[in-house]
Amino acid sequence: EVQLVESGGGLVQPGGSLRLSCAASGFTFSSYEMNWVRQAPGKGLEWVSYISSSGNTIYYADSVKGRFTISRDNAKNSLYLQMNSLRAEDTAVYYCARDLGFATVTTLGYWGQGTLVTVSS
Amino acid sequence: DIQMTQSPSSVSASVGDRVTITCRASQGISSWLAWYQQKPGKAPNLLIYAASSLQSGVPSRFSGSGSGTDFTLTISSLQPEDFATYYCQQANRFPSTFGGGTKVEIK
Repeated sequence: EVQLVESGGGLVQPGGSLRLSCAASGFTFSSYEMNWVRQAPGKGLEWVSYISSSGNTIYYADSVKGRFTISRDNAKNSLYLQMNSLRAEDTAVYYCARDLGFATVTTLGYWGQGTLVTVSS
Repeated sequence: DIQMTQSPSSVSASVGDRVTITCRASQGISSWLAWYQQKPGKAPNLLIYAASSLQSGVPSRFSGSGSGTDFTLTISSLQPEDFATYYCQQANRFPSTFGGGTKVEIK
């Protein structure tokens, strides 16, 4: 069974940093592309970032480019999102999501339960 | 970036009703569209991928159609567990983008 478990969320002041982690199990992590998607309270879904299975190809939403860094450790079956220069508008539940395995790499077939990031003074 | 416009933003319906949600892309995306269902406090769940392919385990009352810029999600006979918010997503190119969501409420 595919499992994705996010951690690392919490309360951080504007301008601060946070590192999210996503622990994967139940599949061969190194074979799949991964994404981060976020959802602000009461709002819709926003795609944040993508990383290829090898880690060689990365994309970001314009809203986080230059501030967030996606990475992965295939030996540890883990996905990360380093978030710097955080703003109030970054407050959201952050989900890690695995691509379906066919169709396109942003067809998100499996999701974690999410971790809440709150940016506030 | 490709903009995704969903309509309606909300719909009130009764159990057994047929419900149709539409999604329009600001430019052609071939058939690279997905539909997700999200219930309060839960992660989204993939229903349809590649515009019309039913994800494994999803009931057959859900169906998707369309290509290019115009797409639809149809629930043929609404069930109590289907009251939720539905999102379309273009999976054609980066940045991937979602529609604003359609909340299906009980009439």
